[in-house]
Amino acid sequence: AQSVTQPDIHITVSEGASLELRCNYSYGATPYLFWYVQSPGQGLQLLLKYFSGDTLVQGIKGFEAEFKRSQSSFNLRKPSVHWSDAAEYFCCSNTGKLIFGQGTTLQVKP
Amino acid sequence: GAVVSQHPSRVICKSGTSVKIECRSLDFQATTMFWYRQFPKKSLMLMATSNEGSKATYEQGVEKDKFLINHASLTLSTLTVTSAHPEDSSFYICSASGDRGTWDEQYFGPGTRLTVT
Repeated sequence: AQSVTQPDIHITVSEGASLELRCNYSYGATPYLFWYVQSPGQGLQLLLKYFSGDTLVQGIKGFEAEFKRSQSSFNLRKPSVHWSDAAEYFCCSNTGKLIFGQGTTLQVKP
Repeated sequence: GAVVSQHPSRVICKSGTSVKIECRSLDFQATTMFWYRQFPKKSLMLMATSNEGSKATYEQGVEKDKFLINHASLTLSTLTVTSAHPEDSSFYICSASGDRGTWDEQYFGPGTRLTVT
């Protein structure tokens, strides 16, 4: 069965520091991959998506992700974290329906 | 664009009563809508997929007689929790597919917090 794994349940970084959130997927073919962010009181917002083509994907709010087929990974990165980035992050694959990873809670220290 | 709303945002009901949650796509037509349940500190669990004008497809383990889903128009889907019990207390989230179909991104509503007393 298809699955998405986010190994880090909780990450704390200092404001201004770089960030990498890990995501691994399990799927035979190339999946459609997404990163969503969930802030309290708000709906999930799409940060970026990968369907095909360039494996480095740029998203909103300064985020990017790199698809690595050899590692079955789609890690999310940001060079400099802002306090407003504190939220819950979900990596998903879409095989006709979205399969969510467990989520990573990002805490940002001032 | 691609805004999805949910109503109500919070609801408290007594055990044994039914509660309806509405999900609307405000600026686009949503052929397919999805209903998720999210437990505290947990990921989203897909409950069902609904297509306009047809019966919903429920995920394994989801009671279709307890969670009634209606998708009567291209902009509205409803989830009715029938004979609610405290264990049904949860955060319910709907989403809608874009015009590229179910393989594309989904647009999420802000969620509805249901508390059953």
